[in-house]
Amino acid sequence: DAGVIQSPRHEVTEMGQEVTLRCKPISGHDYLFWYRQTMMRGLELLIYFNNNVPIDDSGMPEDRFSAKMPNASFSTLKIQPSEPRDSAVYFCASSLLGVGLAGVDTQYFGPGTRLTVL
Amino acid sequence: GQQLNQSPQSMFIQEGEDVSMNCTSSSIFNTWLWYKQDPGEGPVLLIALYKAGELTSNGRLTAQFGITRKDSFLNISASIPSDVGIYFCAGSNTGNQFYFGTGTSLTVIP
Repeated sequence: DAGVIQSPRHEVTEMGQEVTLRCKPISGHDYLFWYRQTMMRGLELLIYFNNNVPIDDSGMPEDRFSAKMPNASFSTLKIQPSEPRDSAVYFCASSLLGVGLAGVDTQYFGPGTRLTVL
Repeated sequence: GQQLNQSPQSMFIQEGEDVSMNCTSSSIFNTWLWYKQDPGEGPVLLIALYKAGELTSNGRLTAQFGITRKDSFLNISASIPSDVGIYFCAGSNTGNQFYFGTGTSLTVIP
């Protein structure tokens, strides 16, 4: 399996521009997670989906952020308009049954998208 | 969001030495995970713990779920250069909402 695929790997944009990050989860996985990693705040869960339905978006910073999962093999995280404080590494992760079911499954992370907003 | 405290923040050790790091939380968790992240990559799960007091090994790595359920520990025995990276703990009560630690950066000197 190719693992979780994210694109682009690097994105540099100017403040105010729209940014779209893409993720292809591992085939057959029912859960998809979006995380953000910064030096100041570490790894934070933004939103996660189960069977393409958003379950918990309480980590989404504000209305400028939106995430969609139109089908089981594709998800997007959009920032509009982008701001310099959005600069971070954004990770997508997927799992088959969700993490925490004893001894059953694990969460696989993609390589991340490094976003720089100037 | 909630953040877990990891210590130490960074470690510089000689190859062959053992390593210990820990993670503490103000909240009780029923699941603890330990990840390793290499530069430019996403975290990779090392060990998962599901029961207070549980001790689990993965090769040279051993992790323990603290009895108070507010802490966890990771030990690496006989470190090697490829152990270099940042180690994160993560805790959860809900199974999918995980809170991550601040990370421990490990450098192994050959």
